[in-house]
Amino acid sequence: AQTVTQSQPEMSVQEAETVTLSCTYDTSESNYYLFWYKQPPSRQMILVIRQEAYKQQNATENRFSVNFQKAAKSFSLKISDSQLGDTAMYFCAFRMNRDDKIIFGKGTRLHILP
Amino acid sequence: EAEVAQSPRYKITEKSQAVAFWCDPISGHATLYWYRQILGQGPELLVQFQDESVVDDSQLPKDRFSAERLKGVDSTLKIQPAELGDSAMYLCASSSRDREAFFGQGTRLTVV
Repeated sequence: AQTVTQSQPEMSVQEAETVTLSCTYDTSESNYYLFWYKQPPSRQMILVIRQEAYKQQNATENRFSVNFQKAAKSFSLKISDSQLGDTAMYFCAFRMNRDDKIIFGKGTRLHILP
Repeated sequence: EAEVAQSPRYKITEKSQAVAFWCDPISGHATLYWYRQILGQGPELLVQFQDESVVDDSQLPKDRFSAERLKGVDSTLKIQPAELGDSAMYLCASSSRDREAFFGQGTRLTVV
């Protein structure tokens, strides 16, 4: 069975700093996608960034980038120049190509401090 | 911009009563997911549909929960009878092939 592990339940950083959220996963699949989702307090879950497993190049979206290490089954999210609006729960998620099932980690609660 | 619609946004029900949630996915999305999210935790997959067929319902408590997507479009999740432990956020999401899932705003259920 596939599992997603986020080992940091909660983190706090000062505004404008860089922060890295960790995620590891376990699978025997070779074709899959990885995602980071953001869930602000009392608001909707939205996609931050996605990574196709067959792509070696790390995905980037403005201030957000990932460090994808396929052999190590690691998928960390780096947020540069953090902003107050980045305060949220962040979830790492794994999607199998075989059946489109998406499973989530337990999340990291990120606080950006003014 | 297309969105996943869910209703109601909030629901308070007494234990042992029946409750139902509705989800309308983004048009054209064949895959529909229902997740349960306990406050401060990650979403747990309850059921996954591909068009009108159930792909995975291994974590659905089938003695009290049921889900359907009769015409392969909108979907209903029902709980009967509701228990105190069912209090949670129920999230619906949809996706097309090889894409991320898009989430609705969720239904927050409180069982009293």
